[in-house]
Amino acid sequence: AQKITQTQPGMFVQEKEAVTLDCTYDTSDPSYGLFWYKQPSSGEMIFLIYQGSYDQQNATEGRYSLNFQKARKSANLVISASQLGDSAMYFCAMREGWAAGNKLTFGGGTRVLVKP
Amino acid sequence: DSGVTQTPKHLITATGQRVTLRCSPRSGDLSVYWYQQSLDQGLQFLIHYYNGEERAKGNILERFSAQQFPDLHSELNLSSLELGDSALYFCASSEGTGAGGGPVTEAFFGQGTRLTVV
Repeated sequence: AQKITQTQPGMFVQEKEAVTLDCTYDTSDPSYGLFWYKQPSSGEMIFLIYQGSYDQQNATEGRYSLNFQKARKSANLVISASQLGDSAMYFCAMREGWAAGNKLTFGGGTRVLVKP
Repeated sequence: DSGVTQTPKHLITATGQRVTLRCSPRSGDLSVYWYQQSLDQGLQFLIHYYNGEERAKGNILERFSAQQFPDLHSELNLSSLELGDSALYFCASSEGTGAGGGPVTEAFFGQGTRLTVV
């Protein structure tokens, strides 16, 4: 069963505008973490933001924020004031607890292209 | 810079050959994870080592093996290579266990090794 779903294979966004990348997940583990990564064309995986399942507030890191809706099992990434350098693949990932091996399970990714 | 070092960055080899990919985790991290990113399979977890011991296995082929050494660096060995093994191989490291058995809250990746099998 697909544990992490990213329904948007690709999207365009105008420079300086905000963009929301969708991510839904599926787990029966009450303790889990959600991650977003950016992968530019150079290939490296850059950690952006983390949200724990017990965190009361939505995570924020600079221009990145995570819209965590636990009941809906969604963890959407919001990038504010898009920049040309934000053009990249974005991956949502989930990590369950130690008993599940602590591995990251990734979604299929969303390619973002920022237009000037 | 994530602090995770992978070598080599690029590797081109022929079918049937064997290669070794190396990963040095961030200082103090006990856990090392290996992932494979291919066009058709996406990002897939291969294996997790914690303080020298295998902790979890994912979709790792029998032709592939890994180990973590006493200095905590890890190696991923790929043998009898096939064209379909061409992929980007990532190593990630983290501190080890999460609080109360929960998930570890960090995961920093190396720059990856791009393997091309010809």
